[in-house]
Formats: sequence, C-alpha cells, structure tokens
Amino acid sequence: GQNIDQPTEMTATEGAIVQINCTYQTSGFNGLFWYQQHAGEAPTFLSYNVLDGLEEKGRFSSFLSRSKGYSYLLLKELQMKDSASYLCAVRGAGNNRKLIWGLGTSLAVNP
Amino acid sequence: ETGVTQTPRHLVMGMTNKKSLKCEQHLGHNAMYWYKQSAKKPLELMFVYNFKEQTENNSVPSRFSPECPNSSHLFLHLHTLQPEDSALYLCASSQDANNEQFFGPGTRLTVL
Repeated sequence: GQNIDQPTEMTATEGAIVQINCTYQTSGFNGLFWYQQHAGEAPTFLSYNVLDGLEEKGRFSSFLSRSKGYSYLLLKELQMKDSASYLCAVRGAGNNRKLIWGLGTSLAVNP
Repeated sequence: ETGVTQTPRHLVMGMTNKKSLKCEQHLGHNAMYWYKQSAKKPLELMFVYNFKEQTENNSVPSRFSPECPNSSHLFLHLHTLQPEDSALYLCASSQDANNEQFFGPGTRLTVL
C-alpha cells in the first residue's frame, strides 16, 4: 500500500530550529512537496524535492533521501507565525501521478 | 491572496438539499482539483480536471457531481449528502498536473 508518516504534533520555542520528518512508502516516486496550513486557511506551497539533497529557501529548508524514503522540513529562527500544520505529500509515478498526502504535523511555537 | 477563490466559505445543509460549491482561479492554470479534508484524515483527492477534461475520479460517491465549464471555473454539485460528508472542501489549481498546487480557502460544509 501507499503510506506517508509524519509526527502528529511538535512543540518548539521562538527563535529555535525544528525539524519535521516525513517517511513514505509509495508505488513509484516523482517528487515530494511540503505545504503549510494555518488553522482555517488554505494549504500554501513551501518546497518541492525530486532529487536527493537539501533545498534551501530562506528560513525553510527541505531534504530528501529517495533511497531511504525520507524527507524533512527544517525551520530556522522560528517565529510565532510559524505555528501551523505542515503537510508532506508525495507524487507517484507512471500512471499514478496523483499526490498522496500525510496527515500533517501540527507545530506549536511558544514564546 | 492565493489567486484561487471559493464560495461559499461556510455551508450548512440538510440531507435532502441540493447545493453547489464554486471555485475560480485567476492564475491561468489548466488543471483544477477538488479535495476533501476531514479531521484526523489526510487530504483526499476527489476529482481532477486537466484542460476541462476530467482525468481522475477517485471513487467518489455519485452524490458529488463535478462540473468544469472552462479552465478557470470548477463546481461541485451536492445532493442527498450524508452527515459523514461534513468536512472542509478545498479547491486547487496548477499549471499542468505535475506542478505545485495552489489552494483556495475552502468551504466548510456541515450536513445535518
């Protein structure tokens, strides 16, 4: 079957660094996405990885290891506004290219 | 402002009602999607339209009926829904089916 695993909840302190992990088992792989969703709002795109390695975009970075079926989202210099749910999604390959979504990780940033 | 709008934002309906959800994207994209988001469940893809043609129907009950009159507009027609259909319904669009998706704010649906 196809499965995306992420921690349900995480807590961190303002100004700190937090790493949100995502492991996946899918029939084929054609890219991994991270989205941020604030309560009551639409998910917004954060990052996309299709090759192994680290993609950096400001305070946010995303890492991918295809051989391990593993990704993480790294958030630096945490701010209160980073409190949100972070969704990991994997695109399948071949005839099944739809996104498979994780349940999301609810991050609470405390002062 | 994400460029994808949805109306209404909130909807309460009885099980015998007929209603429609509307989505409009102002991004010039050619693919549009309907998702269902329920508590403690991952996002569930319902329908995909690519260049106005439905390319995916993810085993959705027939009480949900999508319509895509053009590449900018997407509707979800609802009839004889069940209480378990209560959820957040999200619309998204993308430039081609392989690129990142831009989401609308969603319609919070409650079926009584």
